[in-house]
Amino acid sequence: QKEVEQNSGPLSVPEGAIASLNCTYSDRVSQSFFWYRQYSGKSPELIMSIYSNGDKEDGRFTAQLNKASQYVSLLIRDSQPSDSATYLCAVTGAGGGADGLTFGKGTHLIIQP
Amino acid sequence: EAGVAQSPRYKIIEKRQSVAFWCNPISGHATLYWYQQILGQGPKLLIQFQNNGVVDDSQLPKDRFSAERLKGVDSTLKIQPAKLEDSAVYLCASSRRTGFSNEQFFGPGTRLTVL
Repeated sequence: QKEVEQNSGPLSVPEGAIASLNCTYSDRVSQSFFWYRQYSGKSPELIMSIYSNGDKEDGRFTAQLNKASQYVSLLIRDSQPSDSATYLCAVTGAGGGADGLTFGKGTHLIIQP
Repeated sequence: EAGVAQSPRYKIIEKRQSVAFWCNPISGHATLYWYQQILGQGPKLLIQFQNNGVVDDSQLPKDRFSAERLKGVDSTLKIQPAKLEDSAVYLCASSRRTGFSNEQFFGPGTRLTVL
């Protein structure tokens, strides 16, 4: 049974600071990794995908993957109040046809103005 | 590009009644997924379709849940009979799955309340 672990928070970060969100996963053969943002009452919105070890940057967001440690992280630079949301980490399995996502419970992020 | 469409957006039923949800994926996306999200948890995969074939339904409670995607486009998820613990948001997602990328995009969801 694949598991994805996240600290549920809330994680409180001052506006303009860097928010750091972390995620660990249990299935060593997982190949694809995603971060979704979910506002209260809304559906998950894809913000980052990462497939290989290292860093991937997109605007204020940086995803980091370390497959040896089974660890994924998301950094949000220059945090804005609009970044306040729940951030869901999701992984897929070993590839092939079945690639449904296994999600963590999410980290609730609060950006304090 | 239009996103994933779902209907209805909200549904309230009594336990033991039946209910159906509809999903239309992003145009050109061959892969379609149904997820269940209970309050305070991450979404949980129920079923995955590739075109009109089932790829993974290992977590679908088959005694009460069924899903179909007859023409490889729209899909319907049904619950019959519903239980109190089925109260959740039902999310449909689709993916183009080109090469190594299997990014999934979610619809707005259907919020089901079972009384």
